[in-house]
Order: sequence, then C-alpha cells, then structure tokens
Amino acid sequence: GDSVTQMEGPVTLSEEAFLTINCTYTATGYPSLFWYVQYPGEGLQLLLKATKADDKGSNKGFEATYRKETTSFHLEKGSVQVSDSAVYFCALSEGGSEKLVFGKGTKLTVNP
Amino acid sequence: DAGVTQSPTHLIKTRGQQVTLRCSPKSGHDTVSWYQQALGQGPQFIFQYYEEEERQRGNFPDRFSGHQFPNYSSELNVNALLLGDSALYLCASSPTGQGEKLFFGSGTQLSVL
Repeated sequence: GDSVTQMEGPVTLSEEAFLTINCTYTATGYPSLFWYVQYPGEGLQLLLKATKADDKGSNKGFEATYRKETTSFHLEKGSVQVSDSAVYFCALSEGGSEKLVFGKGTKLTVNP
Repeated sequence: DAGVTQSPTHLIKTRGQQVTLRCSPKSGHDTVSWYQQALGQGPQFIFQYYEEEERQRGNFPDRFSGHQFPNYSSELNVNALLLGDSALYLCASSPTGQGEKLFFGSGTQLSVL
C-alpha cells in the first residue's frame, strides 16, 4: 500500500539556519503530495502542496518540489524563525481523495 | 467562518466504556473524515462520510463506527474502549472529491484509563 517516510527527528536549529526535512513516498499511482504543520495544542494546517511531477509548492518561505524520479518531496526553508517551531508532516493522497497517508512527523525546534 | 469544530476537546474514559466524539464541518464542506493520531505518530485515516454514508474506511476494527447527519456534521463512536485507543482524534472536512482542500479541526484528546 501507499506509504510516506520522513526523516527522524527531533531537529533543533538556530534562528536563520537553513532547514531541510526529507520525505520519500511509495504509491501505486500518481499521488498529490502535501506538507502539513501542527503547532502545539492545535490541529493540522496545510503548509503547501504539489499535485504533479516537477510542481513546486511554496508558502511562508517554505518550498518543496515533487520529484517523481526519486519519489521525494523534501521540505526546505532558507532561514527559519522561532515561530516555525512545530511538528511537520509529509502526506500523500491518490486521485483527489480525502484519505491522506501521513508520515510519522518531524519535530522542529528553533532557538533564538 | 468557524472552520471545523470538534467537541469535546478532552475526554477521559475507562476500559470497556463507549465514547462519542462530535464534529461540525467547515461551511460549504459536505465530506467529513476522521483520523486517529497516537502520541508521536502521524494521523491514521479511520473513515470518511459523504451523503450520510461511510464511503471509505481505513484499517480500524468494527468497534469504530460513525454517522453523518443531514447538516453534514458527524459523530465518531468507539465501543469497548482499549488502552490503545488513547489518542488525539482529528476531524477533517472538504468539498467532496477535493482532498487538496482538506481542513482539520483541533481534535479531541481521548485518554483511556
């Protein structure tokens, strides 16, 4: 079945450092790919998405590119802020379905 | 717009009891999905409701059941609670067939003692 694998956390960075969180996936078809963020005590919020190969999703300085050849969707940000501290989840869905398959999440802590 | 609202926010039950969690979808959304998020894990899909019927189901036992009402709100019921059912239960809504517009609630934290 479909699956998502994220890099193990936690990740601790200093403010203004570069961030990469790796995500690879296994899917039978051509899934849509997502990054969700979960702040402490809150639900999941969609951060960015890409629906086909070579698409780049971006939002709030975060970017991720849908790489079909490497089945990857790595999250990057050039300069993190303390307010980016949260848990980040990579996810996929097939054919516009509301059924998402999530990775285990990566906790990011940014220190001032 | 209130977004997706879930109640209660926290709940404590004992093993063997039954629990009902409630969800009101975002305005304009007619599809409701439920997810279970165990501590330190990613959310896992339980099932989805559309037009008051279960449309998709994940790998969860029959102890987990649901319902959708004509106003699109939904309930998740769990019978014969086990310690392992302790988790954050997330409700998500979307316009049907538009998973990219999935909107999550803040969840109900269920503790089974």
